[in-house]
Amino acid sequence: DAGITQSPRHKVTETGTPVTLRCHQTENHRYMYWYRQDPGHGLRLIHYSYGVKDTDKGEVSDGYSVSRSKTEDFLLTLESATSSQTSVYFCAISEPVTDTQYFGPGTRLTVL
Amino acid sequence: DQQVKQNSPSLSVQEGRISILNCDYTNSMFDYFLWYKKYPAEGPTFLISISSIKDKNEDGRFTVFLNKSAKHLSLHIVPSQPGDSAVYFCAASRTGNTPLVFGKGTRLSVIA
Repeated sequence: DAGITQSPRHKVTETGTPVTLRCHQTENHRYMYWYRQDPGHGLRLIHYSYGVKDTDKGEVSDGYSVSRSKTEDFLLTLESATSSQTSVYFCAISEPVTDTQYFGPGTRLTVL
Repeated sequence: DQQVKQNSPSLSVQEGRISILNCDYTNSMFDYFLWYKKYPAEGPTFLISISSIKDKNEDGRFTVFLNKSAKHLSLHIVPSQPGDSAVYFCAASRTGNTPLVFGKGTRLSVIA
């Protein structure tokens, strides 16, 4: 299994509060991704990173920001959480050659 | 505009029989296709992939078929086992570490 951890694994927060989710990898892979999974929508890309300090937006990036100051860490921040951001968030990393992505265990976020 | 479609939300199969999961895509630039399996409360796990230069790839009980002219791929599981019960996601990308585009998933139930 790819060495990917996510923290926290579960979080309950209130509308309007900032939230930061962390993804940590031990594989030294260049590419990292944040997805959210919602019923009826599958997995949708929020942001991704192709190197330290190099990031780009995905399909559902509004309300989210990311940062990557080290190869191993990719942070997802909700500046002011809303109930529509209640979801399960997955981080992924990809191999440099085959484009196959490997996923972390997920963070379940509830915004009340 | 859904670029990757899994039109069957669910599928039920008897243990020992074949499971066939289908996926259609619209973007002709996609040249790499993957299937992921997801159990509840876990991250998606990579199952099998296929490049557009092939029309079939096999790994044990799992075979993926690609029909480029029809923009269609399918995952065959033979024989199906109860442990195969999960949600299966089809994904596609353009080679070069571009982000994956996922279908909405098909829930497979294998009945003993």
